Amino acid sequence: GAVVSQHPSRVICKSGTSVKIECRSLDFQATTMFWYRQFPKQSLMLMATSNEGSKATYEQGVEKDKFLINHASLTLSTLTVTSAHPEDSSFYICSAHGTFNYGYTFGSGTRLTVV
Amino acid sequence: KQEVTQIPAALSVPEGENLVLNCSFTDSAIYNLQWFRQDPGKGLTSLLLIQSSQREQTSGRLNASLDKSSGRSTLYIAASQPGDSATYLCAVTLDYGQNFVFGPGTRLSVLP
Repeated sequence: GAVVSQHPSRVICKSGTSVKIECRSLDFQATTMFWYRQFPKQSLMLMATSNEGSKATYEQGVEKDKFLINHASLTLSTLTVTSAHPEDSSFYICSAHGTFNYGYTFGSGTRLTVV
Repeated sequence: KQEVTQIPAALSVPEGENLVLNCSFTDSAIYNLQWFRQDPGKGLTSLLLIQSSQREQTSGRLNASLDKSSGRSTLYIAASQPGDSATYLCAVTLDYGQNFVFGPGTRLSVLP
């Protein structure tokens, strides 16, 4: 079946540093990647949508200069949290949509803690 | 704008009970609806996917129904077990290839 590998699963970083999260589709081409975040005891909220080779589209309230998304290939998308602050601590998860069927495949998520 | 709500927010039941989780969405023009399970600190596990043209899907002890015109879906769990304890999320998409809109979830606790 379709698999999306997301790394790292957990990361702790110091305030002011940058963190990169990777999502790789292992056995299919991900034409679209969705990035969500989930604050404690809240549901998943869409941050941005990226299509391979195009600039990402960000949801209202999400700073595009802070959350850099790269989707340069059909198997890899990255989210970089720049100049991270404690309020960026959250659970980030990607979801890939490809050409294999009408379903979606989620990564396993990344727990980011900024100290 | 599509909004998804789930009732109840939390539920605690003794083992063996049958239970129903409810999901409502404001825009009935959905493409599909999916139920997920999320364990604490973990990612999502897909449970059941219902296309807009379908009325229900079943997998083992789980049965999900969809009434698109009224904007509702229910997830029925039969003979609940402690291992069913998790947060259950309902999510919809509005079109092929579009993002999910998630509900806030129902936290289920099944007591032994």
